Order: sequence, then C-alpha cells, then structure tokens
Amino acid sequence: EVHLVESGGGLVKPGGSLRLSCAASRFTFSSYNMNWVRQAPGKGLEWVSSISGSGSYIYYSDSVKGRFTISRDNAKNSLYLRMNSLRVEDTAIYYCARDGGTSGGRDFYFDYWGQGTLVTVSS
Amino acid sequence: QSALTQPPSASGSPGQSVTISCSGTSSDVGNYNYVSWYQQNPGKAPKVLIYEVSQRPSGVPDRFSGSKSGNTASLTVSGLQAEDEADYYCSSYAGSNNLIFGGGTKLTVL
Repeated sequence: EVHLVESGGGLVKPGGSLRLSCAASRFTFSSYNMNWVRQAPGKGLEWVSSISGSGSYIYYSDSVKGRFTISRDNAKNSLYLRMNSLRVEDTAIYYCARDGGTSGGRDFYFDYWGQGTLVTVSS
Repeated sequence: QSALTQPPSASGSPGQSVTISCSGTSSDVGNYNYVSWYQQNPGKAPKVLIYEVSQRPSGVPDRFSGSKSGNTASLTVSGLQAEDEADYYCSSYAGSNNLIFGGGTKLTVL
C-alpha cells in the first residue's frame, strides 16, 4: 500500500522559515502529481500547493504564493515544501497527499495522505 | 476563491440515510465534475470517499454515494452505522489550477 511520511514540522517564530519533507514509498513516485494540504487546529482543510510528476508544473494557493516553494526529488522519492516569511495564520498540520490522477494527469482529488506534520508559528 | 458551503452538522439514527450538501458557484462545483468527498476521524488524515462527483474508490462501501445538481454537490450516507460518525469535507476544482474545500460537516450518529 502507498506510504507517505511527512517530517520537518516544529515551532518557528513569525517571519521565520521551515522546510517540510515527505518520503513516499510503494508506488512509482515520478508518475504522480503531489500536493500539500494543511489544516489549522480545529479548522477545515486548505489546499496549499501542487507539483507535477516531472516537477515542471507547479501551482500555489493565493495564501502562500510568493512565500512557499514546492519541489520534489524523484530519485529520492521525496516531496518538499520550503516555507518562508511564516505567519501566525500558517499554523497547521501539513499533509502530503497524492493526486489520484493516473497517466500523469491531475484528477483534483487526493487518494493517499500522510499522517501530517504540525507547524506552529508563534513568538 | 471562497470556501464551499457545508452545513456545520448533520445527524441520523443507525440504519437511516443522511445527505450532506456542498454549495458552490458556477465557477467551481457548477462548472467542473471534479467534486470529491473526504471522511476524517479525530486525529487522523482524511480519507477519500468519492471523486469526480460520484465515483467510489475501491474499498469504499457503496453506502456512500455522491451527486451534483447545478452548483450544489451532495454526499449521501445510507444505512448509517456508528463508525460513520466523523467529519466530512467536500472539495472542488475551481479553475486556474486551484482547488477549494468546504468548511466541513460533523456527522453524528444518534
């Protein structure tokens, strides 16, 4: 079964930076679009960013555009999220999620999720 | 883009059917057949129940079904079971490579 494991979360001050990682296994990582989805404590889900299998196509939500950078290393089966200029409102559990689309296309739903990593932005 | 609108709560007795609505606009739900539904239990990651409005991934019981009419999508849970008590979220493609979620509905099995 597909396995996704996030890491890198923690406590950071406003304005600070953090890099999240997601280790993927048990599927052909390079064949799938990957995403980051976050959930603030006690709140709903919010899509953050998406990257194509090759890494050529990258998309961000307006709330993180210009501050966050998504990337992937297909040789290492890993997905990353570099977060700069962090704000208190970025506090959330960050999930790595696989897009369910096959043949490399996006199908705009998430068929596998990691367990999440908590990012807390506070002074 | 604004979030999709879901009722904060829903409830039903075991064996009954419950329908959760997800209201969007002609720019998202009404314009694309990329509506999906997720179930989330406390402290756990979400799990997909429905994708492309009405498709069920393998392993999801057929008690869960999805539909769409105009700008509103719906998730119906038939034959309610105690284990169905959870939070449910809808999502939709909103164009320009954006995806939006609903605010979530807490389903209580009475």
